[in-house]
Amino acid sequence: EPEVTQTPSHQVTQMGQEVILRCVPISNHLYFYWYRQILGQKVEFLVSFYNNEISEKSEIFDDQFSVERPDGSNFTLKIRSTKLEDSAMYFCASSSREGFSGNTIYFGEGSWLTVV
Amino acid sequence: LAKTTQPISMDSYEGQEVNITCSHNNIATNDYITWYQQFPSQGPRFIIQGYKTKVTNEVASLFIPADRKSSTLSLPRVSLSDTAVYYCLVGYNQAGTALIFGKGTTLSVSS
Repeated sequence: EPEVTQTPSHQVTQMGQEVILRCVPISNHLYFYWYRQILGQKVEFLVSFYNNEISEKSEIFDDQFSVERPDGSNFTLKIRSTKLEDSAMYFCASSSREGFSGNTIYFGEGSWLTVV
Repeated sequence: LAKTTQPISMDSYEGQEVNITCSHNNIATNDYITWYQQFPSQGPRFIIQGYKTKVTNEVASLFIPADRKSSTLSLPRVSLSDTAVYYCLVGYNQAGTALIFGKGTTLSVSS
């Protein structure tokens, strides 16, 4: 079964450092997403991406965050200057089409980011 | 975006059938109802999706009454490995570009 893969599975970084989380979405999918989940809290939407541009972003996705699809297979989330409160599990997801009618979004296993 | 309400937690024993009900009174005409399962430190996993009446797959059944203001996820004969958080999602955000998660129902299965 096709799956979304993410690397690294776990990263520890010092506050203020830049972090790049990588994702390989399902190959024929066109819509890409990043979500995060702080320990013990709900899954939060960060950003959706289609046709090489951001479709929607949440209030969490401020200027410190950016996304990119550098080639035909990878989708990355960059945090420019990490803060302690960025410590969370970050999930990449993809879907074959946009929202509404019966779309299914598939999630990766997550990248656990710890900022110290 | 339709607001969903589901129980915070449920307990069950192995072999029992578990029904988790989600209410979504302001569901829109074009909204589908989707359920995800999440184990600790793992990504949400799609379980089932439906629009009306009943949907069944190898994992679960989804019952949706005619008014679509609620839905019930049914897990037949649960096992210890079904212990997880179950999310009911209805519709998307305003732009129609992303699923928005609530707090989910924590299901604990005991032997």
